[in-house]
Amino acid sequence: GAVVSQHPSRVICKSGTSVKIECRSLDFQATTMFWYRQFPKQSLMLMATSNEGSKATYEQGVEKDKFLINHASLTLSTLTVTSAHPEDSSFYICSARVLTSSYNEQFFGPGTRLTVL
Amino acid sequence: AQSVAQPEDQVNVAEGNPLTVKCTYSVSGNPYLFWYVQYPNRGLQFLLKYITGDNLVKGSYGFEAEFNKSQTSFHLKKPSALVSDSALYFCAVRDMRGNNRLAFGKGNQVVVIP
Repeated sequence: GAVVSQHPSRVICKSGTSVKIECRSLDFQATTMFWYRQFPKQSLMLMATSNEGSKATYEQGVEKDKFLINHASLTLSTLTVTSAHPEDSSFYICSARVLTSSYNEQFFGPGTRLTVL
Repeated sequence: AQSVAQPEDQVNVAEGNPLTVKCTYSVSGNPYLFWYVQYPNRGLQFLLKYITGDNLVKGSYGFEAEFNKSQTSFHLKKPSALVSDSALYFCAVRDMRGNNRLAFGKGNQVVVIP
């Protein structure tokens, strides 16, 4: 199947700093990329949906100025957690979707563990 | 909007015994149904999906799931569980008539006891 990578896999940062997480579709072009957040032993919560070249659509309750999403190409999306605080510590998972008239599949990255001290 | 219910928090099963993880869904249109597995500190791995056709779907690692339209269920099954099957399992549904978005259940922790 298609491969989605995330970098870094783990990051520890100090409170107040910003952290950038990259999501890449390695062998396909993604129509849309999704960013999810997951708390321990809980389900994935959709944070935002982004299409290449346009602004991301954020879910209710997600601060767009806090979680900056850039989707510069069909193979790369970035999530920047700005001025991170301990409550932002979480597991962040991206997903890339290929959508055509006959094909609709979503592939998930391995996740990034963010710990804010 | 579409939604998924996974009623149990944790499923314990002895190694070699059948494993069942329950899932019911709600959509306004025809459902696309998925099962994913997640190991600690890892992303989601696709197990299987139902789109159309046979109600019994076979997937990776010996798993299968049965689509039951009248009961709006899509339970995941494995005839003989392995210790390595211990993980977090998510059921998801996409409503093809709605917003085309994946909605996940809360997940079930499966513990296979040696």
